[in-house]
Amino acid sequence: DAKTTQPPSMDCAEGRAANLPCNHSTISGNEYVYWYRQIHSQGPQYIIHGLKNNETNEMASLIITEDRKSSTLILPHATLRDTAVYYCIVRVSGGGADGLTFGKGTHLIIQP
Amino acid sequence: GAVVSQHPSWVICKSGTSVKIECRSLDFQATTMFWYRQFPKQSLMLMATSNEGSKATYEQGVEKDKFLINHASLTLSTLTVTSAHPEDSSFYICSARATGTGGYQPQHFGDGTRLSIL
Repeated sequence: DAKTTQPPSMDCAEGRAANLPCNHSTISGNEYVYWYRQIHSQGPQYIIHGLKNNETNEMASLIITEDRKSSTLILPHATLRDTAVYYCIVRVSGGGADGLTFGKGTHLIIQP
Repeated sequence: GAVVSQHPSWVICKSGTSVKIECRSLDFQATTMFWYRQFPKQSLMLMATSNEGSKATYEQGVEKDKFLINHASLTLSTLTVTSAHPEDSSFYICSARATGTGGYQPQHFGDGTRLSIL
């Protein structure tokens, strides 16, 4: 799996958009970008994933650059409950043993 | 949809006892489930991949005789920590991916089990 780089921490004001960057410069053509978050003392929560195109769901938007070497997760209107560690994971599609490799993630703190 | 339930959420027991943790996919079938461990202030580390009806695959450094995994049905995998010692105290988390979906489909995680060995 390609390696990802994320800032260790970020602050964002409540109600504003939170933009979390992820660098994955060695991503290959068949690797997807996944985002998960982990709120303190809970299991990770799936947020969104994408391959090439930008994606949006009820939780967030995922913007992937044209060269696919980086992406940004956008939480459009952050709330205090969005405070969590956010993980960007790059993963090959297909079957087989595909447990996830978690890095250190970005600790997003939403300020009131 | 895609709910994964873990039980128990908390367990405290004496050194030397065995502890069983259950992981259930509530609204989907999962041929494959995964077990992770997380120590304080660290990231999740994959321990093993659990396959329904066959032996689990363990990551390097994880003792298969200490961490027994059984995946007897498409909705249930269990992790038994045998003869647990204080160094096994950790946060154990399972995940599952729906059967028949493509490999790109996400895994869904349980809420974890906090194990404390005295």
